[in-house]
Amino acid sequence: GAVVSQHPSRVICKSGTSVKIECRSLDFQATTMFWYRQFPKQSLMLMATSNEGSKATYEQGVEKDKFLINHASLTLSTLTVTSAHPEDSSFYICSASRDREFFGPGTRLTVL
Amino acid sequence: DAKTTQPTSMDCAEGRAANLPCNHSTISGNEYVYWYRQIHSQGPQYIIHGLKNNETNEMASLIITEDRKSSTLILPHATLRDTAVYYCIVRDLNAGGTSYGKLTFGQGTILTVHP
Repeated sequence: GAVVSQHPSRVICKSGTSVKIECRSLDFQATTMFWYRQFPKQSLMLMATSNEGSKATYEQGVEKDKFLINHASLTLSTLTVTSAHPEDSSFYICSASRDREFFGPGTRLTVL
Repeated sequence: DAKTTQPTSMDCAEGRAANLPCNHSTISGNEYVYWYRQIHSQGPQYIIHGLKNNETNEMASLIITEDRKSSTLILPHATLRDTAVYYCIVRDLNAGGTSYGKLTFGQGTILTVHP
């Protein structure tokens, strides 16, 4: 199956700093990528839909100025958590769409 | 909100078939049924999907009722590595040209396969 990678797999940062997470579709071009967040013992929650060459579409309740999404190419989308706080600590997962969703391995963010 | 309901948890003995039910009574005609699973601290893994007909692949079988209001995922010979959270999701595959309908995850079923 198709491969989607994420980098970094794990990041620990201080409160107030910004963190960038990369999502790459390694063997197909994805016009649409999705970003999810998952808190412990909870299900995945869709944060935003990332469309190549256009602005991302954010789900209700997700702050677009805090979670910046850039889909600069057909194989790369980035999520930047700006001014991170401890409550932003979570597991962030991206996916790329083809005939189905291919998910990345996730990025564990811990904000101290 | 998720459009599916699943049991919270199920157990299965290793080597036996695991049958995971899903109710999607409000499914519309152009919505597919997808199954994914998530092993702890990993991204979800695609298992299978279908529209009306039963489907089978190397991982599992998907049985969809004739009225499409429910389905069952069958893992024919469960192994310990099949222990995971299994998500049943309905999705419109034709949502607007080349863009695909988003996936809405419910709570899923925690399947525990024991020796």
